[in-house]
Amino acid sequence: DTGVSQNPRHKITKRGQNVTFRCDPISEHNRLYWYRQTLGQGPEFLTYFQNEAQLEKSRLLSDRFSAERPKGSFSTLEIQRTEQGDSAMYLCASSPSRGTPYEQYFGPGTRLTVT
Amino acid sequence: AQSVTQLDSQVPVFEEAPVELRCNYSSSVSVYLFWYVQYPNQGLQLLLKYLSGSTLVKGINGFEAEFNKSQTSFHLRKPSVHISDTAEYFCAVTMDSNYQLIWGAGTKLIIKP
Repeated sequence: DTGVSQNPRHKITKRGQNVTFRCDPISEHNRLYWYRQTLGQGPEFLTYFQNEAQLEKSRLLSDRFSAERPKGSFSTLEIQRTEQGDSAMYLCASSPSRGTPYEQYFGPGTRLTVT
Repeated sequence: AQSVTQLDSQVPVFEEAPVELRCNYSSSVSVYLFWYVQYPNQGLQLLLKYLSGSTLVKGINGFEAEFNKSQTSFHLRKPSVHISDTAEYFCAVTMDSNYQLIWGAGTKLIIKP
């Protein structure tokens, strides 16, 4: 078990460009979460998947953001027309649906810088 | 709305001294409580959790936390810190079936030699 992985680890983009991040959860975990963390703050919930179904989205997730989890395995988070305010660390976490579903395992994050 | 407050943004402490990092939450329903640690340039790692039962929970690296329902607190403690404990510590709660975590702003633990 290699844990949760995220790619890329760092992304620098110009304002207005689109970016896509990938998260590979722990293989037997059904639940997958995306969070955003800005400097000096705790993470903020963005969205949640159970298998391939996106069950909850935060108000923070504007229409420029979209997340998918095809086939219930890896997930992608896309940001269209990036703005400087999108600069943050994007964190992915996964958890099992049975046993310890409340115990989330986090990836190392993708740091986005919008210039 | 639920919220988590970490009262100190930074806590400096001498090596081998005890430390307490404070966390208070607001909720009208039962919660699960967590402390996560984030070492420099690394992801978040679960330190310990409270689900039910004994209010004193022990975690990794010698940390423990006490759940106090009447004070809605979940303070983290360690009797003797080491330089390797330098990190940012986050308190989080969850209270719904989706297990969405609500986080405090974090406390940076600074160990002075």
